[in-house]
Amino acid sequence: QLQLRESGPGLVKPSETLSLTCTVSGGTISGSNYFWGWIRQPPGKGLEWIGSIYHSGITYITYYNPSLKSRITISVDTSKNQFSLHLKSVTAADTAVYFCARQNPCTSCYFNYWGQGTLVTVSS
Amino acid sequence: QSVLTQPPSVSGAPGQRVTISCTGSSSNIGAGYDVHWYQQLPGTAPKLLISDNSNRPSGVPDRFSGSKSGTSASLAISGLQAEDEADYYCQSYDSSLSGVFGGGTKLTVL
Repeated sequence: QLQLRESGPGLVKPSETLSLTCTVSGGTISGSNYFWGWIRQPPGKGLEWIGSIYHSGITYITYYNPSLKSRITISVDTSKNQFSLHLKSVTAADTAVYFCARQNPCTSCYFNYWGQGTLVTVSS
Repeated sequence: QSVLTQPPSVSGAPGQRVTISCTGSSSNIGAGYDVHWYQQLPGTAPKLLISDNSNRPSGVPDRFSGSKSGTSASLAISGLQAEDEADYYCQSYDSSLSGVFGGGTKLTVL
């Protein structure tokens, strides 16, 4: 059974970089056709897709939410079976529960496996 | 302001049928992109409920059904049960090169 788990600091200071890691177990990131994504949910609000990464057969390709694109980097560490999110220059508006998820292999496809989510608070 | 518009709340009595709409535009649902639906219980991760407009993943009761027409999609829940009380989200893709979610709908079972 595929499982995903987010990890990282629960508190980040304004203007700093938020860094989260998603560890995948029960399956491998490398060699799979799936997309691997990040979604967030501010307290009491709805879901927001952040971005996804996938292997094209040659290299890893990322695609990001246009509203966050200038601040995001998503990468994969195949040796650890993990993928990561880095969001720079954070503000209080970035306070949210961050989920990692596996997406079926297309940009418009669904997320069928989710991590439990991790709350990140941006505050000094 | 979400790209996909859902009613903030719906309600129904046990046994009744409710529908939740998801209204988009010609750059997302109307462009032919599939719509997916998720159920989120309090304090938990979203769970895939309907994929590709109308497909139910294994384990999802057939009380849940989805449809899509034009620039909108709908989730129907029949035979409402207390355990269905949750938040429901639609998801699609937009030609602006972005995945998009609806704002979410809170279902209350009266």
